[in-house]
Amino acid sequence: AQTVTQSQPEMSVQEAETVTLSCTYDTSESNYYLFWYKQPPSRQMILVIRQEAYKQQNATENRFSVNFQKAAKSFSLKISDSQLGDTAMYFCAFMGGSNYKLTFGKGTLLTVNP
Amino acid sequence: DTGVSQNPRHKITKRGQNVTFRCDPISEHNRLYWYRQTLGQGPEFLTYFQNEAQLEKSRLLSDRFSAERPKGSFSTLEIQRTEQGDSAMYLCASSLDGTKAKNIQYFGAGTRLSVL
Repeated sequence: AQTVTQSQPEMSVQEAETVTLSCTYDTSESNYYLFWYKQPPSRQMILVIRQEAYKQQNATENRFSVNFQKAAKSFSLKISDSQLGDTAMYFCAFMGGSNYKLTFGKGTLLTVNP
Repeated sequence: DTGVSQNPRHKITKRGQNVTFRCDPISEHNRLYWYRQTLGQGPEFLTYFQNEAQLEKSRLLSDRFSAERPKGSFSTLEIQRTEQGDSAMYLCASSLDGTKAKNIQYFGAGTRLSVL
C-alpha cells in the first residue's frame, strides 16, 4: 500500500517570502502521479500542481514549483512570493498509474503573515 | 462549467438515523469518487465509479454505507444506522478519463456530517 507523509503539521511565512513544504511517499510502483492540493478554510480543495513520475523535469505553475526527487521518493512544494491568499491547508497526494484513487498525507497548515 | 456540487453542506443527525448525501459531478466527467475527511487528517478514499459502475470500495466502507450512481450522472452516498464515529466531512470528486485530462480530480465543497 502507498503511504504519503507530510512531516510539517504547521508552517508560517511572511508575505512576499518563499516557503517550502515537504512530502515523502512510499510505493513499489514505477508509474504514478503526485499532486499538491490546497484547501482554504471552509472552502473546497483545489489542485495546485501535478507531477508525472516519468517526467524528470520539475513541474511549475506560476509561483508554485516542485522539487521531485524520484530516487528519494520526495516531492516538496515551493511557494514563491507568498500571498495572504495562500493561507490554507496543503495536502500532498499520490495516485498509482493503474489506480485512480488518491492517497493523501495529513496536510500542512500554512499561514502567510502580513 | 459549474464545478462539483454537494448537498447538503451540513447535516446533523441523531445516532441510529439514516442519512443520504448527493453529489453532482462536473458534466461529462465519467469518474466520480467519494472520500472521507476527519479533523486533522487528509481525505481517505471510500469508493469510485466509472460511469454507473462502482469499481472499487475501500475497507472503510462498512456494510452500513452504500453508494450509487444511477445513469452515470449524480451519485448518492447513504449511511444507515449512523454512529458517532461517522462524523466527518464527506468529499466528492470527479474526473474525466483521457490523456488530456491528466488524472486530475476536481473536488466539491463537501458535506459535513455531525452525529449526536
